[in-house]
Amino acid sequence: AQSVTQPDIHITVSEGASLELRCNYSYGATPYLFWYVQSPGQGLQLLLKYFSGDTLVQGIKGFEAEFKRSQSSFNLRKPSVHWSDAAEYFCAVGLNNAGNMLTFGGGTRLMVKP
Amino acid sequence: EAGVAQSPRYKIIEKRQSVAFWCNPISGHATLYWYQQILGQGPKLLIQFQNNGVVDDSQLPKDRFSAERLKGVDSTLKIQPAKLEDSAVYLCASSQGGSSGVREQYFGPGTRLTVT
Repeated sequence: AQSVTQPDIHITVSEGASLELRCNYSYGATPYLFWYVQSPGQGLQLLLKYFSGDTLVQGIKGFEAEFKRSQSSFNLRKPSVHWSDAAEYFCAVGLNNAGNMLTFGGGTRLMVKP
Repeated sequence: EAGVAQSPRYKIIEKRQSVAFWCNPISGHATLYWYQQILGQGPKLLIQFQNNGVVDDSQLPKDRFSAERLKGVDSTLKIQPAKLEDSAVYLCASSQGGSSGVREQYFGPGTRLTVT
């Protein structure tokens, strides 16, 4: 069965600093990859997705992610973090032959220091 | 375009009571999902509908949970009787239907259930 690992449960960065959130997946084939953000009391909002093609994908709110097949990773990055980016971030994996099911990682909670 | 609607937003019940959640997906979305998100964890899929048929309910605790999607539009998720470990946020999501590929899922705001 596929699995998704987000090794960092909590991350704290200063406003204006760069950010990288890690995501590793375990599956033999190339999955469909997603990053979602969840603000307190809110549902999940899609930041970006990778299906195929260019391995560097751009998303909303200035986020980007890079798919590295050799490392089974799909890390999320932002060059300059804003205080409003404080939230929980989830990486998710979907498989073409799994009926659009998504498997989520455990999440990384981002705190932003002023 | 209206998003996924869920109600209620919050619910507090005592163990052994029953509770129901309602979800109205984005118009035209054939696929509807119910997720359970326990505090500190990622969402876990409970059940997936394609129109009014069940695609996957392998992780639904069928002894106490049930779900239906009448007429292939809105859906209800019921828990009867509730246990303390059912305390969680219940998220509904929807996506466009299709026989291949993985489609973006759009999530509702969730219902936070507290079982005391």
